[in-house]
Amino acid sequence: AQSVTQPDIHITVSEGASLELRCNYSYGATPYLFWYVQSPGQGLQLLLKYFSGDTLVQGIKGFEAEFKRSQSSFNLRKPSVHWSDAAEYFCAVAVNTGNQFYFGTGTSLTVIP
Amino acid sequence: GAGVSQTPSNKVTEKGKYVELRCDPISGHTALYWYRQSLGQGPEFLIYFQGTGAADDSGLPNDRFFAVRPEGSVSTLKIQRTERGDSAVYLCASSLLAAGDTGELFFGEGSRLTVL
Repeated sequence: AQSVTQPDIHITVSEGASLELRCNYSYGATPYLFWYVQSPGQGLQLLLKYFSGDTLVQGIKGFEAEFKRSQSSFNLRKPSVHWSDAAEYFCAVAVNTGNQFYFGTGTSLTVIP
Repeated sequence: GAGVSQTPSNKVTEKGKYVELRCDPISGHTALYWYRQSLGQGPEFLIYFQGTGAADDSGLPNDRFFAVRPEGSVSTLKIQRTERGDSAVYLCASSLLAAGDTGELFFGEGSRLTVL
């Protein structure tokens, strides 16, 4: 069965520090991969996506993610975190021509001054 | 409207009651999705519409759950004989194309359902 694992439930970083959020998936073929962010009181927003091609993808708000087929991973990174990045981050996998999205359980990010 | 609109934003009901949750997608978006998000969990797929028809309803947990989209725009998620375990945030998302084509789902803020 398809699954998405985000091993870190909660991460705390200092403002200006670098960030990496982990995501691993389990699927027979290369799925479509996404990162979404959910801020309090707001809907989920797409940060970036990977379909094919260059394994390093750039997203909005200075985020990037790298697809590593050998590790079945799609980790999200940001070189310098801003206080406004505090939110819940979800990794997602789309299968069956993209009609179904499977989301991870999320990583809650706290940014301290 | 500019985004996906969901009503009500909050709904408190008693066990056994019937509930309807409404989703108004972005104008022109043919694909519409319903998800359920329980506390501490990621969104869980329920059903996907392409136009008026339910293209995939494999995520509906049981026959108490039903969704319609009669005119290919607004959708209503209907829950009969609610149970306490149905308490969650119900998310609606829409897309211009199927999610696999664009990857961009536009989510509403959700309807928080509490079953007492």
